[in-house]
Amino acid sequence: DVKVTQSSRYLVKRTGEKVFLECVQDMDHENMFWYRQDPGLGLRLIYFSYDVKMKEKGDIPEGYSVSREKKERFSLILESASTNQTSMYLCASSLGMGGVETQYFGPGTRLLVL
Amino acid sequence: GDSVTQMEGPVTLSEEAFLTINCTYTATGYPSLFWYVQYPGEGLQLLLKATKADDKGSNKGFEATYRKETTSFHLEKGSVQVSDSAVYFCALMGGAGSYQLTFGKGTKLSVIP
Repeated sequence: DVKVTQSSRYLVKRTGEKVFLECVQDMDHENMFWYRQDPGLGLRLIYFSYDVKMKEKGDIPEGYSVSREKKERFSLILESASTNQTSMYLCASSLGMGGVETQYFGPGTRLLVL
Repeated sequence: GDSVTQMEGPVTLSEEAFLTINCTYTATGYPSLFWYVQYPGEGLQLLLKATKADDKGSNKGFEATYRKETTSFHLEKGSVQVSDSAVYFCALMGGAGSYQLTFGKGTKLSVIP
């Protein structure tokens, strides 16, 4: 079974702090994704990566950056957290061989910015 | 751009009732369509998918048929159980070469005994 793990289930940070959210997948997937989930808005793509050190902006990249130094790990960085970044963050991965692929999701990190 | 519209919830049903959650989409080209489910406290998991028109996806008693003429992918189950209580997301992936999912807003289903 594919396993996608996220470093924290719950996180509380203060405005202006630098925040790191970590995601690890154990199936040698090429593609990794970061989404945020908000009530009434569904899931929105922040960034995705299709290879080590490669990244592309999703629909809402403002205020976020990402890092992918190793194939299995994809980090989401909030350079200076703001209250409007309070949300549930979901990481996902997919094989990356082309075609229609299933994305496998982690359990999510619920971030509260005070 | 691509978009997915699904019926707003919450939806509350009694056990063994029939379930329909409507989903329509707008997309260029020939998208693939998905239903994901999120159980309380968990991440999303794929429930079923369909990759071309008239395909039917099915899993765990749930079904959805890809209807190109009505741009729809409605989720159905003949007899829901309490364990089906979750949030259901309809999603699409654009045509060839695309690996970005576009999600609907989600529909919360509660099944009561």
